[in-house]
Amino acid sequence: QKEVEQNSGPLSVPEGAIASLNCTYSDRVSQSFFWYRQYSGKSPELIMSIYSNGDKEDGRFTAQLNKASQYVSLLIRDSQPSDSATYLCAVNQAAGNKLTFGGGTRVLVKP
Amino acid sequence: DAGITQSPRYKITETGRQVTLMCHQTWSHSYMFWYRQDLGHGLRLIYYSAAADITDKGEVPDGYVVSRSKTENFPLTLESATRSQTSVYFCASSGGQQASTDTQYFGPGTRLTVL
Repeated sequence: QKEVEQNSGPLSVPEGAIASLNCTYSDRVSQSFFWYRQYSGKSPELIMSIYSNGDKEDGRFTAQLNKASQYVSLLIRDSQPSDSATYLCAVNQAAGNKLTFGGGTRVLVKP
Repeated sequence: DAGITQSPRYKITETGRQVTLMCHQTWSHSYMFWYRQDLGHGLRLIYYSAAADITDKGEVPDGYVVSRSKTENFPLTLESATRSQTSVYFCASSGGQQASTDTQYFGPGTRLTVL
């Protein structure tokens, strides 16, 4: 069974701090990795995608991928109260453009 | 640019009734997906479609039917609704030219309550 695991949280961080979210996956052939943000009552929205080992930065967000360890992470720098949401990690399956989603990590940024 | 839309946004129905949830996308994406999201279970794939007239089961297909006669539409039908199908349903699409073909973009969701 292909699995994507995340700590459900809540991850509580003070405003201005760095939030670090982790995700592990079981399918070694996965090639595409995504982070989605979901506000309460809203649909998931794409934050970042990453395909190669290493870091990818986009504004205050940095995604890190380590395929050997089957690990992908998301760093949120200078966390703001508006970053309070659930963050979903998603990993592609080998065929059919299907993604497997983790259960999500709830992040709370306190002013 | 409407993107991906779902209707209705909210629906209350009774056990045993047939319900159809609509999904429409304007990006000409080849792939479309239906998920349900429940507390404690995250997003679970119900059905997906690789192109018009091509559909396949996901993780939790029982009790659901899909069709895709046109690329832009992917309706989901609950043939005889049960209380366990009370959930938030999300439609998503992928396969466009502007990004990685497996990046999925989600509709706003339909909140379905079965009494």
